[in-house]
Amino acid sequence: EPEVTQTPSHQVTQMGQEVILRCVPISNHLYFYWYRQILGQKVEFLVSFYNNEISEKSEIFDDQFSVERPDGSNFTLKIRSTKLEDSAMYFCASRRGTGGLAGYEQYFGPGTRLTVT
Amino acid sequence: AQTVTQSQPEMSVQEAETVTLSCTYDTSENNYYLFWYKQPPSRQMILVIRQEAYKQQNATENRFSVNFQKAAKSFSLKISDSQLGDTAMYFCAFMKVAGNQFYFGTGTSLTVIP
Repeated sequence: EPEVTQTPSHQVTQMGQEVILRCVPISNHLYFYWYRQILGQKVEFLVSFYNNEISEKSEIFDDQFSVERPDGSNFTLKIRSTKLEDSAMYFCASRRGTGGLAGYEQYFGPGTRLTVT
Repeated sequence: AQTVTQSQPEMSVQEAETVTLSCTYDTSENNYYLFWYKQPPSRQMILVIRQEAYKQQNATENRFSVNFQKAAKSFSLKISDSQLGDTAMYFCAFMKVAGNQFYFGTGTSLTVIP
């Protein structure tokens, strides 16, 4: 069964450094997402991406964040200058976007745990 | 704005018993989708069940079923014949039909006791 993959599984970085989190969505999916989950808290939406542009973003997704789909398979989240409060699990998700309810189901990757020291 | 509330931070159930997790939401939309996701200790988010708001019939997936009360804006998850592998955090999620993001609740941590 196709699945969303994310690399790395764990990233440790120093405050102020840039990090890039990578995701490979399911190949025939059209919508892509990043979410984050601070330990012990709920999953929060960051950004959605469709047709090579951001379609929606939350207040969390400020100028320090950017997303890119550099080729036909990868979907990346860049944090330009990390802060301590960026420490969280970051989930990538994708959905098909067609086929009724099934097209709205989001498939999540296993997450990247980001630790900012 | 859409909000999703899960009022039970923690629950436990004996193996083989039935448990119900509650979820309420607030929206002005008439049509939308609702989901329950499971997050085991591995932290992978796994879809459990989904429901379309315009369908009266409650969704069922094997041991998992929902009680969808649209007027009350309630979407509870019932797990029958609980198994040890059901131990996980469960998140309720809402999505507008024309929307792009999931709105998640704060989660319910379920422990199945042998």
